[in-house]
Amino acid sequence: QLQLQESGPGLVKPSETLSLTCTVSGGSISSTSNYWGWIRQPPGKGLEWIGSIYYSGSTSYNPSLKSRVTISVDTSKNQFSLKLSSVTAADTAVYYCARIDGSGWSPAFDYWGQGTLVTVSS
Amino acid sequence: DIQMTQSPSSLSASVGDRVTITCRASQSISSYLNWYQQKPGKAPKVLIYAASNLQSGVPSRFSGSGSGTDFTLTISSLQPEDFATYYCQQSYHTPPYTFGQGTKLEIK
Repeated sequence: QLQLQESGPGLVKPSETLSLTCTVSGGSISSTSNYWGWIRQPPGKGLEWIGSIYYSGSTSYNPSLKSRVTISVDTSKNQFSLKLSSVTAADTAVYYCARIDGSGWSPAFDYWGQGTLVTVSS
Repeated sequence: DIQMTQSPSSLSASVGDRVTITCRASQSISSYLNWYQQKPGKAPKVLIYAASNLQSGVPSRFSGSGSGTDFTLTISSLQPEDFATYYCQQSYHTPPYTFGQGTKLEIK
C-alpha cells in the first residue's frame, strides 16, 4: 500500500522559507504513470494546488505562487520536497503531499499524506 | 485559470436521503472532473474520477455525471459516515489544477 508522509518545521517566521519533504513508501517515486504534488488548505478553507513534479524533475507550478515555489525530487531517497519563500501569515495552512495518477482520463490526486500544519508567525 | 463553483456551499440532510451536489466550470473541461470527500482533520479521498468513474473501494451509492461545464455528485442514500465536505477538481486546463470551494454536508 502506497504511503506518503510529510515532514518539516511546524513554525516558520515571516519572510523566511518554508521547507517540507514528502517521503513515499510502498511504491516507487519513479513510476512513469504518476506525478507528485503539493496541496495546501488554510484553516477552515478550501484546497489549493501548489505545484507538481515528475520523477525526471519536470515541474509545474500554480501561477499564483510560482515566483516563490520550488519543488524538487530525490529519486534515490524516494522523496520530493517543497520550498516556499518569503512566507507571510497568509501561507499558514495544512500542507499535503499527494500522488497524481496520470494513467487515466482525468488525472486525480489518489494518494495523500496525512498533512502537516505549518504556521507562519514570529 | 478555470474557476470551479460548487452549489450549495452547505447542505443539511438526513440518513437515507438522496443528495445532489453541483459543480460548474467557468469553461468547458470535457470530462476532466474529479470528486473528493474530506472529513475533519483528514486528507481528502478521491471518490469519482473522470466525471463518472467510481474509484476502487468507494461505495456504489456515490455516482457522478456531467460533461462540459456542469457536473453533479449524487449520494443515493446517505449513510452516517457520508457527512463530510465534498470538493470537485478539474484536470483539463492545467496548470493550475483547481478545486471548487467545497460543499459541507451536515446532519439535519
